[in-house]
Amino acid sequence: DQQVKQNSPSLSVQEGRISILNCDYTNSMFDYFLWYKKYPAEGPTFLISISSIKDKNEDGRFTVFLNKSAKHLSLHIVPSQPGDSAVYFCAASVGSSNTGKLIFGQGTTLQVKP
Amino acid sequence: DTEVTQTPKHLVMGMTNKKSLKCEQHMGHRAMYWYKQKAKKPPELMFVYSYEKLSINESVPSRFSPECPNSSLLNLHLHALQPEDSALYLCASSQGGGGYRLYGYTFGSGTRLTVV
Repeated sequence: DQQVKQNSPSLSVQEGRISILNCDYTNSMFDYFLWYKKYPAEGPTFLISISSIKDKNEDGRFTVFLNKSAKHLSLHIVPSQPGDSAVYFCAASVGSSNTGKLIFGQGTTLQVKP
Repeated sequence: DTEVTQTPKHLVMGMTNKKSLKCEQHMGHRAMYWYKQKAKKPPELMFVYSYEKLSINESVPSRFSPECPNSSLLNLHLHALQPEDSALYLCASSQGGGGYRLYGYTFGSGTRLTVV
């Protein structure tokens, strides 16, 4: 039973355009959501997070939107650059423990074409 | 130093072997994690150490044995593994307290394990 789902395995976007990566979740108790980027042969790299009490968080070219009623979040990358080509994972934090786990989605492979 | 270093990068072991994976960080993080990732699947949590104490064990088989000798080091001892244990093993660390929720984990590059 996958609590965090990324239903699009891949996405291709032209350089300079917007990339929108989507993520759905089932557990209403998740309190934080995070996005990671992963290049081949490297570990995932943290990009941005959002608290469940917010609906938007922005950091440079990256913006995460949270729709709690729909249990949906999205990552917008504007403008997209070829160096953004990577696998993107969304993750959710469970519970209120100080050191707990992150549950990851399956990942979406983004390709940004020059 | 903003890295998590994992060694070795690749490991091939037989089902009767004993081996260890090592992880090191010098960021002053007080929480460390082992995740397992199989091809085309998300990373799955195995263990969490908080302030050098095991705080979460996700019902991992006893053939995987974690150890946290000090706040900078995390080991994963492997014994009598099965071919289905072949995967990418990722170590991560985070700030103590709830910092992992705001700032995420810092992951290492992983150890690619093949059990033959």
